[in-house]
Amino acid sequence: GIQVEQSPPDLILQEGANSTLRCNFSDSVNNLQWFHQNPWGQLINLFYIPSGTKQNGRLSATTVATERYSLLYISSSQTTDSGVYFCAVEPWGADGLTFGKGTHLIIQP
Amino acid sequence: EAGVVQSPRYKIIEKKQPVAFWCNPISGHNTLYWYLQNLGQGPELLIRYENEEAVDDSQLPKDRFSAERLKGVDSTLKIQPAELGDSAVYLCASSSRTDATGELFFGEGSRLTVL
Repeated sequence: GIQVEQSPPDLILQEGANSTLRCNFSDSVNNLQWFHQNPWGQLINLFYIPSGTKQNGRLSATTVATERYSLLYISSSQTTDSGVYFCAVEPWGADGLTFGKGTHLIIQP
Repeated sequence: EAGVVQSPRYKIIEKKQPVAFWCNPISGHNTLYWYLQNLGQGPELLIRYENEEAVDDSQLPKDRFSAERLKGVDSTLKIQPAELGDSAVYLCASSSRTDATGELFFGEGSRLTVL
C-alpha cells in the first residue's frame, strides 16, 4: 500500500514562532487531507488539498502532487495549536485515506 | 449541524468479554468509516460503508470483529471476545461522496481498555 511519512515526528516551539510540517507519500494521490488531533483526542479536518495551495487564517498548506509531498505552515503559533498533526492520503483507484504517524507539536507559552 | 456522534466515550472490560460501539454520522453523509487508533499512531481503517454496503472490510479481523450499518445511517462495531491487544481508540468518521472534496469528519472516539 501507499507509504506516508511525516516529519519532524516531534516539534517544540515557543508561542509566536512559525513552523513547517512535511508529508511525503509514495504514490500518486487524488485526495490529501490534513488533520489536527487536539490533546483530548478530537480529530479536526484542516484542509482538503490534493494539489495547490490553500490558506485559512494562520494556517496554510501546499501540495506538490508531481513531487509527492505536502507542507503545512503554521504562523504565529498559539498554545492551542498544540497537538498532533496528521497527513492522510488516498491513491488513485483506491478508497479510503491512509494516515501518516503524525507530527507531535508542543507550543510553549 | 450536529457532528459525528459516538458512544460510549470510554469502556473498560475484562478480556473475553464482548463490547459494542455505536456511531451516528453527519446527516446526509452516505459514507461511514470505522478507524482504529493505537497510542502514538495514526488512525488505521477497519471498514468503510457506502450506504448500508460494506465496500472495504479487508482490514477488519473477522474472527472477532463485526460491523453493521442498518438502513444506511447508524453503525455498530462489535468485538467478541475482546483481547488485551484490542485496547485502543475506535474512531468513526463520515463523508459525503457526492461532495467533490470527500472531506472526512470524525467523532470523538470510543476509548477501549481491556484488562
